[in-house]
Amino acid sequence: QVQLVQSGSEVAKPGALVKISCKTSGYNFINHYINWVRQAPGQGLEWMGWISPDGGGTKYAQPFQGSITLTRDTSTTTVYLEFSNLRTDDSAVYYCAREKGFYYDLWGQGTLITVSS
Amino acid sequence: QSALTQPASVSGSPGQSITISCTGASSDVGKYNFVSWYQHHPGKAPKLIIYEDTRRPSGISDRFSGSKSGSTASLTISGLQTEDESTYYCCSYAGRVFGRGTMVTVL
Repeated sequence: QVQLVQSGSEVAKPGALVKISCKTSGYNFINHYINWVRQAPGQGLEWMGWISPDGGGTKYAQPFQGSITLTRDTSTTTVYLEFSNLRTDDSAVYYCAREKGFYYDLWGQGTLITVSS
Repeated sequence: QSALTQPASVSGSPGQSITISCTGASSDVGKYNFVSWYQHHPGKAPKLIIYEDTRRPSGISDRFSGSKSGSTASLTISGLQTEDESTYYCCSYAGRVFGRGTMVTVL
């Protein structure tokens, strides 16, 4: 079954390091970029960046440069989103999405990150 | 990159047609056939309903249709049904940018 399954909710303190995952299955992992999209409370969708599973190249949206890192593990066909220094305004739901052509055809179920002291 | 402009909400009665607009610039919406639309129910994964401006993925009802003129894309839902009540987002691949979302209410 073609799917993206994300890791569970996280609660963390400001300044913490958090890493969430997106496990892919049912298709050739290296054929599709994986993107990450944020939805802050009461807000819309915001594109954060992508990673190429084939080679690991990345591109980040300007607001997230320096604060997130995208990595992948080809042996487990999993993509990771890591926050290096969480802030309270990083509290949001984060989605991974498979890129196909010029759109996102498959999405994970979302991971809620709550940042609170 | 600024978010694409969508109306905050649109409503209609069952059976009616509604249209959601998505306005950007020549550098995003107006560039190539790269606009897609997503339906997003709270707590669920967003769902692709239109891609490449006008194309429908397999399994998506033909009540959903997309169009584009210049820098404005549109999503039309015909024969509105209660299950269409959701938030809809447009997205321009060219600018890697989403709209702010339109909440559709079925009266």
